[in-house]
Amino acid sequence: GAGVSQSPSNKVTEKGKDVELRCDPISGHTALYWYRQSLGQGLEFLIYFQGNSAPDKSGLPSDRFSAERTGGSVSTLTIQRTQQEDSAVYLCASSPRTPSDEQFFGPGTRLTVL
Amino acid sequence: LAKTTQPISMDSYEGQEVNITCSHNNIATNDYITWYQQFPSQGPRFIIQGYKTKVTNEVASLFIPADRKSSTLSLPRVSLSDTAVYYCLVNTGGFKTIFGAGTRLFVKA
Repeated sequence: GAGVSQSPSNKVTEKGKDVELRCDPISGHTALYWYRQSLGQGLEFLIYFQGNSAPDKSGLPSDRFSAERTGGSVSTLTIQRTQQEDSAVYLCASSPRTPSDEQFFGPGTRLTVL
Repeated sequence: LAKTTQPISMDSYEGQEVNITCSHNNIATNDYITWYQQFPSQGPRFIIQGYKTKVTNEVASLFIPADRKSSTLSLPRVSLSDTAVYYCLVNTGGFKTIFGAGTRLFVKA
């Protein structure tokens, strides 16, 4: 079956522009996560969605970052007024139900802010 | 949130057994311990998960002592393709998952 997909795979933007990153989780997975990974670093948790519950936004680094999940499936991470320090790989993962379940990761979107 | 501590890097040679230990002193009763592997330019991939004692699958073994304050990932007979970053995770009741910096394993010929 299809795994987690993310688009675009690469995004180059200018400082101050807004960007939208998309994640298509595995069908039937109710949990969806966004992470950020800077070059050579570990994964930084950003946000977690579980079904129709209010998302856990505690990892979002600033109010320029927001995410939504429509219909319990596709998710979009939006970064407004991008800064150079936003440059990183943004990874999406989904899991069947709970955080203790295996997380299946997408290939990531590499964001470069010039 | 529980914090995990792992060695920053480890070196090994092909054919050797590699053991990576993770400390998680504040692990909660309901928490599971999960290990992921990440190759360059890829997302992490699940390796193994356990709650207590020992778990073994086709890839690795996971040893968890009775107090569960640490865990050891054991990779038997590593090959060059096992060169990757290995992350230890503990979920602490909430849904926020903390990957940490991981352990960079270098397998040499």
